[in-house]
Amino acid sequence: EAQVTQNPRYLITVTGKKLTVTCSQNMNHEYMSWYRQDPGLGLRQIYYSMNVEVTDKGDVPEGYKVSRKEKRNFPLILESPSPNQTSLYFCASRSAEIYTGELFFGEGSRLTVL
Amino acid sequence: KQEVTQIPAALSVPEGENLVLNCSFTDSAIYNLQWFRQDPGKGLTSLLLIQSSQREQTSGRLNASLDKSSGRSTLYIAASQPGDSATYLCAVSGAGGSEKLVFGKGTKLTVNP
Repeated sequence: EAQVTQNPRYLITVTGKKLTVTCSQNMNHEYMSWYRQDPGLGLRQIYYSMNVEVTDKGDVPEGYKVSRKEKRNFPLILESPSPNQTSLYFCASRSAEIYTGELFFGEGSRLTVL
Repeated sequence: KQEVTQIPAALSVPEGENLVLNCSFTDSAIYNLQWFRQDPGKGLTSLLLIQSSQREQTSGRLNASLDKSSGRSTLYIAASQPGDSATYLCAVSGAGGSEKLVFGKGTKLTVNP
């Protein structure tokens, strides 16, 4: 089954404690991306990756890091989480085809930073 | 900067009604437009993708149209069912040559039995 898998799905942590949210896709997609979703603000892109070792900033990259060492994995790293990073996070992937590449989303990771 | 607007923010209809959800965007130079469905606390599920060269796409009871020149798309849902209750989001990619998807804030649809 084609899917994007995120872990953990739910996490409560404290300010400053480094954490990583993993994302893995089994569709051999080149493009992967991270979004956060907040009430009233909608979905905003954090980082994206066009392929292995190629990453770029989205609209709200501050406080986040990413890496793309393998095609299937695109982890999101919060080096020193702060309460304003409390949010619902989504990973997504699609093929490299710009015009027809349908975006597939993971189930989401709800993060609370105390 | 591309901006995507969805009106209304919420819509409540009786079961069986045909309905239209609206999406407008400010920059018509897009690669494609996608409609998604999001259930509470869940991820987004892609419903339809319309390429910039297409006018519409259909899947079952759903029909999405695209008018690039006017910066508008509609999602038509026929014979609505309570199971259609969800938030529907549209997103466009390609403005300014960027592949980034820009999302609207969604329309929350409630279909009452």
